[in-house]
Amino acid sequence: AQSVSQHNHHVILSEAASLELGCNYSYGGTVNLFWYVQYPGQHLQLLLKYFSGDPLVKGIKGFEAEFIKSKFSFNLRKPSVQWSDTAEYFCAVNGGATNKLIFGTGTLLAVQP
Amino acid sequence: DAGITQSPRHKVTETGTPVTLRCHQTENHRYMYWYRQDPGHGLRLIHYSYGVKDTDKGEVSDGYSVSRSKTEDFLLTLESATSSQTSVYFCAISGQGRGKNTEAFFGQGTRLTVV
Repeated sequence: AQSVSQHNHHVILSEAASLELGCNYSYGGTVNLFWYVQYPGQHLQLLLKYFSGDPLVKGIKGFEAEFIKSKFSFNLRKPSVQWSDTAEYFCAVNGGATNKLIFGTGTLLAVQP
Repeated sequence: DAGITQSPRHKVTETGTPVTLRCHQTENHRYMYWYRQDPGHGLRLIHYSYGVKDTDKGEVSDGYSVSRSKTEDFLLTLESATSSQTSVYFCAISGQGRGKNTEAFFGQGTRLTVV
């Protein structure tokens, strides 16, 4: 069965600190992987995605993620966070003929100025 | 923003009543999804559709049904609303194939309160 695990539920960082959020997935076939962000009171927006090619993917706002197939992981990183990065971050995976899209439970990031 | 509209945006209903939420898209995308978002649970898939009249259950489908009679509309029905179904409901759409069309676009959400 398809599943996604996010290990960090709540992360608190100071501005300029580096960020890494973990994401592991379970799926037997070819997958597409995503990171979405949800700012307070808003809907989800795409940060970045991986479907093939270079396993290091760059997204918007300085975020990047690395797909490590052997570890079934797709961790999100940012070298220096800003207060405006305060939000909830969701990892997601889809695949298969019906394109079922599953999300992790999310990581709430609070960046202190 | 992708052309995706959820209605209503807010609703308060009584326990035991049926409720229908509507998701309407103007992007002609093949795939449509209904999620509920609750603190600590992230987004949980209720039902999804991979074509007109083609739907499947997600992780938390009990108490919910869906219909998709045309490409642009995906309806979510709570057959007999319960307080445990108080949540924020999001609709999402995505296209077919790899690359850009695989990303999902989300509606603004519907806040449903069951009293």
